[in-house]
Amino acid sequence: EVQLVESGGGLVKPGGSLRLSCAASGFTFSDAWMKWVRQAPGKGLEWVGRIKSKANGGTTDHAAAMKGRFTISRDDSKNTLYLQMSSLKVEDTAVYYCLSYRDSSGYHFDYRGQGTLVTVSS
Amino acid sequence: QAVVTQEPSLTVSPGGTVTLTCGSSTGTVTSGHYPYWFQQKAGQAPRTLIYDTSNKHSWTPARFSGSLLGGKAALTLSGAQPEDEADYYCLLSYTGVGVFGGGTKLTVL
Repeated sequence: EVQLVESGGGLVKPGGSLRLSCAASGFTFSDAWMKWVRQAPGKGLEWVGRIKSKANGGTTDHAAAMKGRFTISRDDSKNTLYLQMSSLKVEDTAVYYCLSYRDSSGYHFDYRGQGTLVTVSS
Repeated sequence: QAVVTQEPSLTVSPGGTVTLTCGSSTGTVTSGHYPYWFQQKAGQAPRTLIYDTSNKHSWTPARFSGSLLGGKAALTLSGAQPEDEADYYCLLSYTGVGVFGGGTKLTVL
């Protein structure tokens, strides 16, 4: 059974840092392209960033609004995706979802986590 | 950063047909934007319906189809069902950086 389980969310003060994790199982994580999207309460989806598989260079792309503050990384030995967030702002409050959507050969799938809530508040 | 635009809300009758569109502030949407369409129901994570303009997943109902139409990406629902009532989001890629549209709230009524 495919599972993506996010963790690490919680309450953090403005200017603080947080690292989200997404533990994957049931598929070949090392071959998967992964992304983070977020959703502020009552709002639409926002693309945070993505990381390719190492077979495709392992490169990352980040949304302009978060570039320099958020960093996506992966540890294929632990089947885990990360989102390191720093200089957090109140407007970063959202549910953060990790998703896996394709592999290195271009085969598409759709694996989703249940999301983890990040609340930035003083 | 580019702005992706969608209709905020649409209503379709059961059994009817509706087209949702996805435009880009940078100009014409092409296959090079790799348009995705997501469906999100209340309290759930978004689910991909369409990827790369018109490709479906195995779970995508046949009544949904994706295309390029009039310079935009389009999601057409033919034969709407009550369970299709949801929020729909398009996602466009700009040299690897994704941008979501604001979403369309689809009511089946």
